[in-house]
Amino acid sequence: GQQLNQSPQSMFIQEGEDVSMNCTSSSIFNTWLWYKQDPGEGPVLLIALYKAGELTSNGRLTAQFGITRKDSFLNISASIPSDVGIYFCAGQIGGSEKLVFGKGTKLTVNP
Amino acid sequence: NAGVMQNPRHLVRRRGQEARLRCSPVKGHSHVYWYRQLPEEGLKFMVYLQKENIIDESGMPKERFSAEFPKEGPSILRIQQVVRGDSAAYFCASAGGAEAFFGQGTRLTVV
Repeated sequence: GQQLNQSPQSMFIQEGEDVSMNCTSSSIFNTWLWYKQDPGEGPVLLIALYKAGELTSNGRLTAQFGITRKDSFLNISASIPSDVGIYFCAGQIGGSEKLVFGKGTKLTVNP
Repeated sequence: NAGVMQNPRHLVRRRGQEARLRCSPVKGHSHVYWYRQLPEEGLKFMVYLQKENIIDESGMPKERFSAEFPKEGPSILRIQQVVRGDSAAYFCASAGGAEAFFGQGTRLTVV
């Protein structure tokens, strides 16, 4: 099946620190999406990216669609306790409508 | 969750019973995904449906599990003769284009 590698698997940081996570694939993607899942809830869409090289921000979150179309990163600046959760990347591989998900990055923020 | 409705939120079934999970997508969306999630784990793809068609069921167990998305009404994920290992959170996602929106999930507990 299609491989989407998300790293790191987990992160433990102090409040106020910046965070970076990424997803890579051997396949070319048409779309990259980043989701956050709070405990007991469904994933919520944070940022959607549609073009290679695109850099998009949503508040303290910034995500980029890699120029090779095989990777994407998500940065969170000045983390706060409510940033805790699991972050998933997802994307549509070229030629397919099906969404492929990464395994998630679990973020813990210590106050 | 942008209007994706899943019900019930919690479902308890005894071993051997049937579980029916419902997902009403965003109005106008014609694609539905079903995912399964175990505690502290990522989202595992089960099935991808278009109205009246199964596009990709490569993540569905060969037995006891079935899914449908009829022309009218919600998408249904059906699990027959449930076993304890079926206990998990089941999420559906609704897509009308490149973006997908998740429901809040159904937490199935098999006792």
